[in-house]
Amino acid sequence: DTEVTQTPKHLVMGMTNKKSLKCEQHMGHRAMYWYKQKAKKPPELMFVYSYEKLSINESVPSRFSPECPNSSLLNLHLHALQPEDSALYLCASSQELTASYQPQHFGDGTRLSIL
Amino acid sequence: GQNIDQPTEMTATEGAIVQINCTYQTSGFNGLFWYQQHAGEAPTFLSYNVLDGLEEKGRFSSFLSRSKGYSYLLLKELQMKDSASYLCAVSMDSNYQLIWGAGTKLIIKP
Repeated sequence: DTEVTQTPKHLVMGMTNKKSLKCEQHMGHRAMYWYKQKAKKPPELMFVYSYEKLSINESVPSRFSPECPNSSLLNLHLHALQPEDSALYLCASSQELTASYQPQHFGDGTRLSIL
Repeated sequence: GQNIDQPTEMTATEGAIVQINCTYQTSGFNGLFWYQQHAGEAPTFLSYNVLDGLEEKGRFSSFLSRSKGYSYLLLKELQMKDSASYLCAVSMDSNYQLIWGAGTKLIIKP
């Protein structure tokens, strides 16, 4: 069990669907991250939030839309995804964006399949 | 550009010792993390090195040489549950993003 909780664990959706991935942490961390991970590859950073403000957007297509409603929650809204978007989506958190010595804590991820 | 190299796959025997190497060439450096990731699961934090030398944590140790751009993770008394991918990641000093290696898949045989 991890201290970062992601739901759902699995998601299958069509290319025209709209769905959301959710992430929650109660460690008081102020930095939260979305990563995409393909099989046998390292995680690829998508978005970073610091104190509920979007700090980094790694040129992610607009069909992915992040949202940080409060310091404990992070959402990733999905719309009109492509088959190549099928991957494991990981949420992570860390104490502060600038505290580089603090590790990121990961959730178990949502395995997303696009039909 | 940023580059981190790790072996793709290693095999070791239960009860033995294995060393997983990581070399990096990055434009900045603020520390190096090692994570363990079992198939289909989240990466879990193992160790962090910012100064040269060896950090020991139970059966796992991690070493860093900043001048050589080199780190290794040493796993002792290997257990079957240690079968996983091991990723090294460099924390950049410019924006604190992590630059990830591709990971080393470690297979433990009885």
